[in-house]
Amino acid sequence: DPKIIQKPKYLVAVTGSEKILICEQYLGHNAMYWYRQSAKKPLEFMFSYSYQKLMDNQTASSRFQPQSSKKNHLDLQITALKPDDSATYFCASSQEGLGGQNTLYFGAGTRLSVL
Amino acid sequence: GQGVEQPDNLMSVEGTFARVNCTYSTSGFNGLSWYQQREGHAPVFLSYVVLDGLKDSGHFSTFLSRSNGYSYLLLTELQIKDSASYLCAVRMPNYNVLYFGSGTKLTVEP
Repeated sequence: DPKIIQKPKYLVAVTGSEKILICEQYLGHNAMYWYRQSAKKPLEFMFSYSYQKLMDNQTASSRFQPQSSKKNHLDLQITALKPDDSATYFCASSQEGLGGQNTLYFGAGTRLSVL
Repeated sequence: GQGVEQPDNLMSVEGTFARVNCTYSTSGFNGLSWYQQREGHAPVFLSYVVLDGLKDSGHFSTFLSRSNGYSYLLLTELQIKDSASYLCAVRMPNYNVLYFGSGTKLTVEP
């Protein structure tokens, strides 16, 4: 059974609309992340959270807003969608301390296409 | 910017070995990780190194030279199923940010 659940697996949106990408992890980890992977580009760090607090944000646009309602949830709200936002968005988690933070566990990803 | 460079493609033969290279030039360094990613799937953690030298983990071994900004992932006794992309990622000192290379697509031929 997958331990990091991302929903939906595929998402098609129109330009200008808003979508929420869901992520839940059942590994008991305290740290969660969002990464983005576009065609022909490296996996790109977006956000990191620890104990539901934002630790690092390397996303230039405020259109991307993470939301953590529970310790094991980190959703990603994207507003005013653009075609350039088309990518696979990966949620990941890691365990704090004892070197656990060196290993990221990734969800299966949400493949977003903006038309 | 943060530069993590990998060759795009690598081919090798079943039963032999493959060395996937990674060079980096980043403003900080707190270790380097290797991940395997199959087409259409999520990256899977393979190894993490922070000290210089060779770390032997059986089928996968990793080498790091911090002074040269260089690492490699060595796969031995290759199998067809080792065909995948291998991603190098440099971990920054600030909270667990990883900068990934574009990945090397390894093709293992019979």
